[in-house]
Amino acid sequence: ETGVTQTPRHLVMGMTNKKSLKCEQHLGHNAMYWYKQSAKKPLELMFVYSLEERVENNSVPSRFSPECPNSSHLFLHLHTLQPEDSALYLCASSQDRTSTGELFFGEGSRLTVL
Amino acid sequence: RKEVEQDPGPFNVPEGATVAFNCTYSNSASQSFFWYRQDCRKEPKLLMSVYSSGNEDGRFTAQLNRASQYISLLIRDSKLSDSATYLCVVNDHSSASKIIFGSGTRLSIRP
Repeated sequence: ETGVTQTPRHLVMGMTNKKSLKCEQHLGHNAMYWYKQSAKKPLELMFVYSLEERVENNSVPSRFSPECPNSSHLFLHLHTLQPEDSALYLCASSQDRTSTGELFFGEGSRLTVL
Repeated sequence: RKEVEQDPGPFNVPEGATVAFNCTYSNSASQSFFWYRQDCRKEPKLLMSVYSSGNEDGRFTAQLNRASQYISLLIRDSKLSDSATYLCVVNDHSSASKIIFGSGTRLSIRP
């Protein structure tokens, strides 16, 4: 069993749809993250949660809405997305948010917005 | 100037060759350094941490040069399975936003 699991692995949605990405970590970590990875660009941090509290929001548009109901689960709710939001969305966890930088990633959710 | 810069490659080398690539960082307050590996259409995975004294893990050697603000990764006796994108990661520990990823260097090992 992988430490961080993400569903769905692939998602195609129209600009008017509402969908959610789910992430679950089985590592007992206290911090969880959403990253966006677009082609030929570095990973972009979107949100950070520490002990279920959002501690960082990196100027992400409001059409992306995170939710962290407990320390093991993280959601990214999507609505009225744009085609340029098509990317690989990676969830990660670490022992705590000031971690030295060792992040454990899920396999990602590849999103296509039509 | 980018906070973390890497040569995007691709580096195309024959099996068995030695290959090295660097990563430069701009934040002199950076404290932790890592190399991650990302296979095509997969998630990044930690390859190795980079310590001040340099460290080695099998065929992989990582070095840190704080004065010149760069880290390096050397792969000896390269294998076909080493083909991947190698991401440099730098952290100043001030916040999660300061875990900065480079864009990656693509490595392709040919038979």
